[in-house]
Amino acid sequence: AQKVTQAQTEISVVEKEDVTLDCVYETRDTTYYLFWYKQPPSGELVFLIRRNSFDEQNEISGRYSWNFQKSTSSFNFTITASQVVDSAVYFCALINNDMRFGAGTRLTVKP
Amino acid sequence: NAGVTQTPKFQVLKTGQSMTLQCAQDMNHEYMSWYRQDPGMGLRLIHYSVGAGITDQGEVPNGYNVSRSTTEDFPLRLLSAAPSQTSVYFCASSYSPPPQGRGTNEKLFFGSGTQLSVL
Repeated sequence: AQKVTQAQTEISVVEKEDVTLDCVYETRDTTYYLFWYKQPPSGELVFLIRRNSFDEQNEISGRYSWNFQKSTSSFNFTITASQVVDSAVYFCALINNDMRFGAGTRLTVKP
Repeated sequence: NAGVTQTPKFQVLKTGQSMTLQCAQDMNHEYMSWYRQDPGMGLRLIHYSVGAGITDQGEVPNGYNVSRSTTEDFPLRLLSAAPSQTSVYFCASSYSPPPQGRGTNEKLFFGSGTQLSVL
């Protein structure tokens, strides 16, 4: 069975702190895709990144970075120098023959 | 740029009523899908479609019907609403359908959501 676990239900940080959101997944498939989506207070979901199972290169996009480790079945997301606008719920998702989203992590960045 | 348009934004129903949530996309996407978002459970796939005339069940299809008569539209019907269907509903689309199975490996474009309450 497929499963995505985002163990951190809520995280609160002060602006400019670095924060890492954890995502652990379970699948028996060798080919799969991992995604992160952001849901700001306005409610819509916004795509952040896609990674396939054959590409373990870490990725950096501005203040955002992602660490994909197949050995630990994790796809963690780090925000460097957090800002108030980063406050949102972040979802990790696993896609292969099926589609599973994690329960989400609510990040609050305080000024 | 309209993207994915979902209506209504809010709806209150009484138990047993029926209604249709509308979803339309103007990006010529083949893959469309419906999700419900419940606290502590993330998004769960209700139904999906890989093209006009083709629909299939997701993880939680009971109580919902869909149809895909055109590429653009993918309405979700609640035939007899129940309090357990109180949730936030999202429609999403992507460029291409998956080679197999339910999940598209393309990024999803989401609508703005519908908050549904069933009393």
